[in-house]
Amino acid sequence: LAKTTQPISMDSYEGQEVNITCSHNNIATNDYITWYQQFPSQGPRFIIQGYKTKVTNEVASLFIPADRKSSTLSLPRVSLSDTAVYYCLVGPNSGNTPLVFGKGTRLSVIA
Amino acid sequence: NAGVTQTPKFRVLKTGQSMTLLCAQDMNHEYMYWYRQDPGMGLRLIHYSVGEGTTAKGEVPDGYNVSRLKKQNFLLGLESAAPSQTSVYFCASSYTSGVNEQFFGPGTRLTVL
Repeated sequence: LAKTTQPISMDSYEGQEVNITCSHNNIATNDYITWYQQFPSQGPRFIIQGYKTKVTNEVASLFIPADRKSSTLSLPRVSLSDTAVYYCLVGPNSGNTPLVFGKGTRLSVIA
Repeated sequence: NAGVTQTPKFRVLKTGQSMTLLCAQDMNHEYMYWYRQDPGMGLRLIHYSVGEGTTAKGEVPDGYNVSRLKKQNFLLGLESAAPSQTSVYFCASSYTSGVNEQFFGPGTRLTVL
């Protein structure tokens, strides 16, 4: 699996847009980019997955530049309930290579 | 659908004791996983299974054993618990492999004294 680098922590005020960037310089051609969210005392929850350009769902948007060496998770107008750890994972969407979760980015939303 | 359930939710063991953590999923998923998460850390994969009757080692398998006798269940065993195994254990399952969506259980908080 491609090694990923993301900020350890971020702070944001309620109502702001939050962008969390993940670097994955050695991403392979068949790798996808996946983000998970983990609230305190809960298991991680899948948020979004993409391969290139832009993906949007009801929770977030994922922006992937043409070279795919990084990606940005965008959370629009965050609220206190978005306080969580966000994990970026990069790897193929098939085969038996298991996921590797890093330490993620701890997002703290302040009122 | 209950999704992924884990039993028990909490447990305190003494060093050297044994126990089994049970994970059950009702989504007919082929793939199941056991992770541990230590304070302030990400998840580390202990063992995983790609189908009924199969198991494989993950990143930190030492001190643990697993079994997948039924497709819906994945058991994690600690034969002789050590304080270093104090952690929160998460089970997950998925329909396909790779970085596709995994569904996680609520976790088991284990303390080994």
